[in-house]
Amino acid sequence: EIVMTQSPATLSVSPGERATLSCRASQSVSSNLAWYQQKPGQAPRLLIYGASTRATGIPARFSGSGSGTEFTLTISSLQSEDFAVYYCQQYNNWPPLLTFGGGTKVEIK
Amino acid sequence: QLQLQESGPGLVKPSETLSLTCTVSGGSISSSSYYWGWIRQPPGKGLEWIGSIYYSGSTYYNPSLKSRVTISVDTSKNQFSLKLSSVTAADTAVYYCASSTGEGLDYWGQGTLVTVSS
Repeated sequence: EIVMTQSPATLSVSPGERATLSCRASQSVSSNLAWYQQKPGQAPRLLIYGASTRATGIPARFSGSGSGTEFTLTISSLQSEDFAVYYCQQYNNWPPLLTFGGGTKVEIK
Repeated sequence: QLQLQESGPGLVKPSETLSLTCTVSGGSISSSSYYWGWIRQPPGKGLEWIGSIYYSGSTYYNPSLKSRVTISVDTSKNQFSLKLSSVTAADTAVYYCASSTGEGLDYWGQGTLVTVSS
């Protein structure tokens, strides 16, 4: 089973600043990595797939990078609506197994 | 675009079977373009993939839940379903259904809270 580890658990950032979130896989997942945003009481929303491709309608301030075991989600200039929990998810073995990271909460500093 | 909606009991007794249905609109569940899946989230915790099914009926389950999970498709109703047997309080969670083209889970239902309690 591939284990996904996200860091930090909580990131305190001021509006307008850059946020950098990390995700590490226990073994290579190539570029088969997605990022999701989840706000309280809502379902997750797909932001990035293929490690770096923005999903439909996702603003350009969101960018993903990395391959293999190390991945990064960058939010270039945080807006008020970006404060949320972010999850990474690998699908390298798809099918048959997907795994999520534990999440990073981005909070207002 | 696709819309997904979960339905089912919000309260299940310990040792019983949890049953949920996801109704898909805006597209055909028989499409070869999509996999259909279930994900859950215990209160205040992270996301856990439960399993997925392809229109052909091929299923894929999380090994940690495999012995208790069954996912099936009803193409006549454009629905897919989840059954989780022998539930305990640890199965209390918000359950989501979602779709995937194989590159991330792109459409999600709003989620439904299922509480396991006597």
